[in-house]
Amino acid sequence: AQSVTQPDIHITVSEGASLELRCNYSYGATPYLFWYVQSPGQGLQLLLKYFSGDTLVQGIKGFEAEFKRSQSSFNLRKPSVHWSDAAEYFCAVGDSNTGNQFYFGTGTSLTVIP
Amino acid sequence: NAGVMQNPRHLVRRRGQEARLRCSPMKGHSHVYWYRQLPEEGLKFMVYLQKENIIDESGMPKERFSAEFPKEGPSILRIQQVVRGDSAAYFCASSPLKDAGYTFGSGTRLTVV
Repeated sequence: AQSVTQPDIHITVSEGASLELRCNYSYGATPYLFWYVQSPGQGLQLLLKYFSGDTLVQGIKGFEAEFKRSQSSFNLRKPSVHWSDAAEYFCAVGDSNTGNQFYFGTGTSLTVIP
Repeated sequence: NAGVMQNPRHLVRRRGQEARLRCSPMKGHSHVYWYRQLPEEGLKFMVYLQKENIIDESGMPKERFSAEFPKEGPSILRIQQVVRGDSAAYFCASSPLKDAGYTFGSGTRLTVV
């Protein structure tokens, strides 16, 4: 069965520091991979997505993610975190083989300290 | 350029009442998805609809829950005879194409008292 694991429930980083949020998936084929961000009380905003091609994907707000098939990972990175990046981050996986649904991880909550 | 519009933002219902959640997809999007987010959990798929058709309802509870996306008007998620366990955030998402990645609404937070 398809699944997504975000091992870190909560991460705290200092403003200006680098960030990496982990995402591992269990999947039989090449998946479509997504990262979403959710601010408190808000919906989810798409940060970036990977369908095929270059395994390093650039997204909005200075985020990037790298698809590593050998590790079944799609980790999200940002070189320098801003206070406004504090939010909940969700990794998701899907493709035509999953039917019509995407599978979401349980999220990583990011706190940014001055 | 309105995004996905959901209303109401917050909904309080007593046990046994009905809850109706509305979702207007982005302009040009014909694929609508409903997800539920329980506290401390990720989003769980409920149903996928296109205009006038339910394509996949494999994530919908077998009883009390229904969804529609009529030819005119918003998509509606209906929960009959709500129970405390239905308290959650319900998110609607739309897409111009299947598998293209969703645009989410801000959600409806249902509280059953």
